[in-house]
Amino acid sequence: SAVISQKPSRDICQRGTSLTIQCQVDSQVTMMFWYRQQPGQSLTLIATANQGSEATYESGFVIDKFPISRPNLTFSTLTVSNMSPEDSSIYLCSVGPGQGYVGANVLTFGAGSRLTVL
Amino acid sequence: LAKTTQPISMDSYEGQEVNITCSHNNIATNDYITWYQQFPSQGPRFIIQGYKTKVTNEVASLFIPADRKSSTLSLPRVSLSDTAVYYCLVVGAGSYQLTFGKGTKLSVIP
Repeated sequence: SAVISQKPSRDICQRGTSLTIQCQVDSQVTMMFWYRQQPGQSLTLIATANQGSEATYESGFVIDKFPISRPNLTFSTLTVSNMSPEDSSIYLCSVGPGQGYVGANVLTFGAGSRLTVL
Repeated sequence: LAKTTQPISMDSYEGQEVNITCSHNNIATNDYITWYQQFPSQGPRFIIQGYKTKVTNEVASLFIPADRKSSTLSLPRVSLSDTAVYYCLVVGAGSYQLTFGKGTKLSVIP
């Protein structure tokens, strides 16, 4: 399965600022997703990062708050804009099977980026 | 999307077999049952997936009855390192829409 590197692994941010999280994959992947996991909670899908087109956002998440880039098949960024304490969460990047893979629809997750907003 | 129900938490002693049952009464014909494991400070990790009957790999076994309305994840002889949250998901064939429930927090006790 793919190996995912997320940066930063953790950060402490001030209210009103923005932070960009990077997700680097060691192989080309078609499907790339961003999830949020609030403290003590389960994972919630934010958006699907589409290569060459705009991201597809889930209900409750908007592009102005969580702009996403997907410049190629191995990299994506998620920006958390104008942060408030409610944005304190773990943000996880995940990818689907690589190109040419034939099998079950399983996702591989990065270790996550833990954001604390003061 | 089929909703899943699983126990919030379970405790087990080291060396015991642990069975975590998940209910998914509204599973559709083309849905697969998938389990993920999440350790603290890590992302979820795929454990096992099945459609019917029994699936076994080096980590766990998955038992699925004929009606597919439930499934049981079986972890043989758990160790302290198996302490984690285990998520049961129902995923449509070809779909990447993963809906995570609250999962089962397994605590393995020495």
